[in-house]
Amino acid sequence: AQKITQTQPGMFVQEKEAVTLDCTYDTSDQSYGLFWYKQPSSGEMIFLIYQGSYDEQNATEGRYSLNFQKARKSANLVISASQLGDSAMYFCAMRDDFNKFYFGSGTKLNVKP
Amino acid sequence: EPEVTQTPSHQVTQMGQEVILRCVPISNHLYFYWYRQILGQKVEFLVSFYNNEISEKSEIFDDQFSVERPDGSNFTLKIRSTKLEDSAMYFCASRTGGRQPQHFGDGTRLSIL
Repeated sequence: AQKITQTQPGMFVQEKEAVTLDCTYDTSDQSYGLFWYKQPSSGEMIFLIYQGSYDEQNATEGRYSLNFQKARKSANLVISASQLGDSAMYFCAMRDDFNKFYFGSGTKLNVKP
Repeated sequence: EPEVTQTPSHQVTQMGQEVILRCVPISNHLYFYWYRQILGQKVEFLVSFYNNEISEKSEIFDDQFSVERPDGSNFTLKIRSTKLEDSAMYFCASRTGGRQPQHFGDGTRLSIL
């Protein structure tokens, strides 16, 4: 069964606008972690933001915030004030209780000038 | 800032040959991982390693794969008899534990001819 689902293969956003990238997950674990990574065209994987399953507040890191809705099992990434350099693939990932990581299929974000 | 380093950046190998991909995780990290990403596809978990043994592995990680941490700093992935479908980007990652994210190396692009 698919653990992480990203339903948006591609997204466009106008520069300086906000964009939400969707992620839903499937687990019966009580303790888990949710992550977002950015993969530019150069190929490296860059950690953006983390949300723990017991965290009551949504995580924020600069222009990135994670909209965590535990009951819906969703962990959407919100990028505010998009920049041209935000154009990349974005992967949602989950760490389960056995320390195994699962990645979604990714969303390709294009920021238009 | 400390980094995960992977060598080589690109490896070209004849089908049927053995290949060893090398990684130097961040020095105080305790958990080590290998992933692969076939071109244009999602990141797939291969194996996790903790306390000098494999803690989890995926169905992809069959008998032709093995991992070693031979000297306390290097973390290697060996593919015994490569197949065309092993062509992919291979990422090494490490983390300290708990809530901490994985830090990824820049990857090794493996091309099987």
